[in-house]
Amino acid sequence: GNSVTQMEGPVTLSEEAFLTINCTYTATGYPSLFWYVQYPGEGLQLLLKATKADDKGSNKGFEATYRKETTSFHLEKGSVQVSDSAVYFCALSSWGGSEKLVFGKGMKLTVNP
Amino acid sequence: EAGVVQSPRYKIIEKKQPVAFWCNPISGHNTLYWYRQNLGQGPELLIRYENEEAVDDSQLPKDRFSAERLKGVDSTLKIQPAELGDSAVYLCASSTTRGREDTDTQYFGPGTRLTVL
Repeated sequence: GNSVTQMEGPVTLSEEAFLTINCTYTATGYPSLFWYVQYPGEGLQLLLKATKADDKGSNKGFEATYRKETTSFHLEKGSVQVSDSAVYFCALSSWGGSEKLVFGKGMKLTVNP
Repeated sequence: EAGVVQSPRYKIIEKKQPVAFWCNPISGHNTLYWYRQNLGQGPELLIRYENEEAVDDSQLPKDRFSAERLKGVDSTLKIQPAELGDSAVYLCASSTTRGREDTDTQYFGPGTRLTVL
C-alpha cells in the first residue's frame, strides 16, 4: 500500500537557519504530494502541494519539488523564522486530493530567536 | 468564509462510555473525511463521505464506531463503548470534488481531543 516516510524530530534551529525536512514515499501510479503544517493549538493547514513529477510547490518561503526518480518530496526553506515553529507533515493522495491522504509521522520544528 | 467546525474541542470520558463528535464542513464541500490522529503520529483515515454516501469506511472499526452524514452536510462520529486505546485527536476535513485533473485541497477542522480514562 501507499506510505510516507519523513524525517522525525524534534528539530531545533536558530532563526535564519536553513531548513530541510526529508520525505520519501511509496505509491502505485502517480500520487499527488502535500506538505501540511500544524501550528500550536491549531488545525492542519495545507502548506504546499505538487501533482506531477518535477512540479515545484511553494508557499510562505517554503519549497518542495516532486522527484519521481527518487520518490521524494523534500521540504526546504532558506531562512526560518520563529513563527515557523510547528509540526510538519508530508502526505500523499493517490487520486488528486479527493481520496484519502496518507501521512507521515510528522516532524516538530522549534525555531529559537 | 467559515472553516470546518468541530465540537466539542475536548472530551474526557471513562472507558465503556459512549461519545459523539460533530463536524460541520465548509459550505458547498461535498466530500467529508474523519481522521484519527494518535499521539506522535500522522492522521489516519477512518471514513470518507461523498455527499451522503460512505465511499471508504475500510479503516473504521465497525464493532464500536459508527458515523452518519444526514443530508450530505453535517456529520457525526460515534464511539460506543469507548476503550482506553481510543484516546486520540479526531479530525474532520472537507473538500470539493472537481475531477482528477484538479487536486482538491482537504481543509481540516481543529479536531476533538478525546481522553478515555
